[in-house]
Amino acid sequence: LAKTTQPISMDSYEGQEVNITCSHNNIATNDYITWYQQFPSQGPRFIIQGYKTKVTNEVASLFIPADRKSSTLSLPRVSLSDTAVYYCLVGDPAVSGSARQLTFGSGTQLTVLP
Amino acid sequence: DGGITQSPKYLFRKEGQNVTLSCEQNLNHDAMYWYRQDPGQGLRLIYYSQIVNDFQKGDIAEGYSVSREKKESFPLTVTSAQKNPTAFYLCASRSLSGRGDQPQHFGDGTRLSIL
Repeated sequence: LAKTTQPISMDSYEGQEVNITCSHNNIATNDYITWYQQFPSQGPRFIIQGYKTKVTNEVASLFIPADRKSSTLSLPRVSLSDTAVYYCLVGDPAVSGSARQLTFGSGTQLTVLP
Repeated sequence: DGGITQSPKYLFRKEGQNVTLSCEQNLNHDAMYWYRQDPGQGLRLIYYSQIVNDFQKGDIAEGYSVSREKKESFPLTVTSAQKNPTAFYLCASRSLSGRGDQPQHFGDGTRLSIL
């Protein structure tokens, strides 16, 4: 099971770009990388998923280098409402129903300051 | 709207009492999961189920039980054997078909406290 390592916390200011990096040195060939956002007293919410290179959607970008041993979630122009915990997970879609995708670390607490 | 509904939002348990947390989904997802989250911590997997009438233990199953009699329902019972049940409990579901690694969809949780 691929273990992930993220910074415990990060601070940023409104309007800045925030990059959160996750290390996953033992990622397997078929593993995808998924990021979630969690607000206090709520369930995590899916942000973005990728396998290699770069993925972009309406809220974030995900950069994955060629060796796939790390990934970086990029949040453009953050606002106060982006203050949350961000989790990085790796998993294998071929192992349907397994627990491979289901190990959440402690995540990264992002605090956006005015 | 499609989604996952957890109830109740807050639950109190007396010592020695079993309590059941409800989780219902109308997303037609195959897999369902229960997690426990303690303050300032990540999520830990309690049980998961891929198909009706089948489920597997996660990392911290002791003191908990589940059932999956219907595809849309996955209730969790916190038994008296769980000595430290105070936590935030999250239910999730996921499709097992389609391309890529289908993300999990979470409910808004049940906060369980001991009286």
